[in-house]
Amino acid sequence: TQLLEQSPQFLSIQEGENLTVYCNSSSVFSSLQWYRQEPGEGPVLLVTVVTGGEVKKLKRLTFQFGDARKDSSLHITAAQPGDTGLYLCAGERVGSSNTGKLIFGQGTTLQVKP
Amino acid sequence: EAGVTQSPTHLIKTRGQQATLRCSPISGHTSVYWYQQALGLGLQFLLWYDEGEERNRGNFPPRFSGRQFPNYSSELNVNALELEDSALYLCASSPLGRNQPQHFGDGTRLSIL
Repeated sequence: TQLLEQSPQFLSIQEGENLTVYCNSSSVFSSLQWYRQEPGEGPVLLVTVVTGGEVKKLKRLTFQFGDARKDSSLHITAAQPGDTGLYLCAGERVGSSNTGKLIFGQGTTLQVKP
Repeated sequence: EAGVTQSPTHLIKTRGQQATLRCSPISGHTSVYWYQQALGLGLQFLLWYDEGEERNRGNFPPRFSGRQFPNYSSELNVNALELEDSALYLCASSPLGRNQPQHFGDGTRLSIL
């Protein structure tokens, strides 16, 4: 059982469309990070959210952390081909001592066609 | 600011051999983390080092080990390589402290023949 469930796993859309990726859990997280990974490269940090209900915007990307800190979403407005990649959510669970361990979702592969 | 650097980029080994992977963290970061990204399994936490000490390890056998040097760089050693060890090994670094985001290198692709 995946502690962080991402959906959808695959998404293929046309340039200009909007999309939302979800990251859900039954556990509470002290923070959640979103990364984007391209083939042959490591994950690149997009944002960290730490407060329940927090919303952060990064140009056309909007990130939200659920009030109960169990879920998060990533919304992309007017997607562009350069947004193509693997999107990963990751977080550290509350209730344990500082473990350094990030739990990752399975990832969402996004393809934006021109 | 230089990012996390890993070497080598690719490593090809045969079953039973030993592999050593290296990582240099971002300047000022004392914590180094190792993850395995195997096909179909996602990123799995391997090890966390801070100030030269192993702080936590994931659910991997003891043949996965490592160390952190006084300059905060780190090595991951994998002994008695098995075919299923083929994966991308990613190193990340962060300052010490809760909720500090981890920044990743581009990984070492380890292939076991």
